[in-house]
Amino acid sequence: QQQVKQSPQSLIVQKGGISIINCAYENTAFDYFPWYQQFPGKGPALLIAIRPDVSEKKEGRFTISFNKSAKQFSLHIMDSQPGDSATYFCAAGSGGGADGLTFGKGTHLIIQP
Amino acid sequence: DAGITQSPRHKVTETGTPVTLRCHQTENHRYMYWYRQDPGHGLRLIHYSYGVKDTDKGEVSDGYSVSRSKTEDFLLTLESATSSQTSVYFCAIKDGTKNTGELFFGEGSRLTVL
Repeated sequence: QQQVKQSPQSLIVQKGGISIINCAYENTAFDYFPWYQQFPGKGPALLIAIRPDVSEKKEGRFTISFNKSAKQFSLHIMDSQPGDSATYFCAAGSGGGADGLTFGKGTHLIIQP
Repeated sequence: DAGITQSPRHKVTETGTPVTLRCHQTENHRYMYWYRQDPGHGLRLIHYSYGVKDTDKGEVSDGYSVSRSKTEDFLLTLESATSSQTSVYFCAIKDGTKNTGELFFGEGSRLTVL
């Protein structure tokens, strides 16, 4: 049972374009929705996260859009750069407590110069 | 960078042999996790710990055991490794004093079972 569904699996975007990755979750108890960025040979690192009490959060070129009623959230990367080429994972979980995060399967993003 | 050290970083072993992966943290965080990463599957939780000697199973715990005798160390053991356990294993930690939900990951341990 996959509780977090992520799409697309891979994405190619031209430099300067907008990269969009989507996720959907099933468990309405989730209250923390982060995006992680992973470069080859490295561990995932937190990029940006959102709570369900807001519909959008922006940090620099990265924006999370959150739709609680649809149980969906997305990552937008504006003015995409070659350095953004990486694998991106959405996740969902509870902010507090011992429970870990449930991750999507990942999106391999390539930004072409 | 979060103070997380995984060892070994790379290991090749044969089917049926025992393997232990170690995660060491210097952050004094309460919660520790073991995930495995496989192409097409993302990151899947194996086991986690909510304190010394307190552990629980995750989504893919079969064939794995864990131990946490000290706050800073979380061990993952494969009693008898199988080829299906070839994977990259990540340790993660979370600060139990803050309601942030953020996991900090180590650099990973790549295990190949022949």
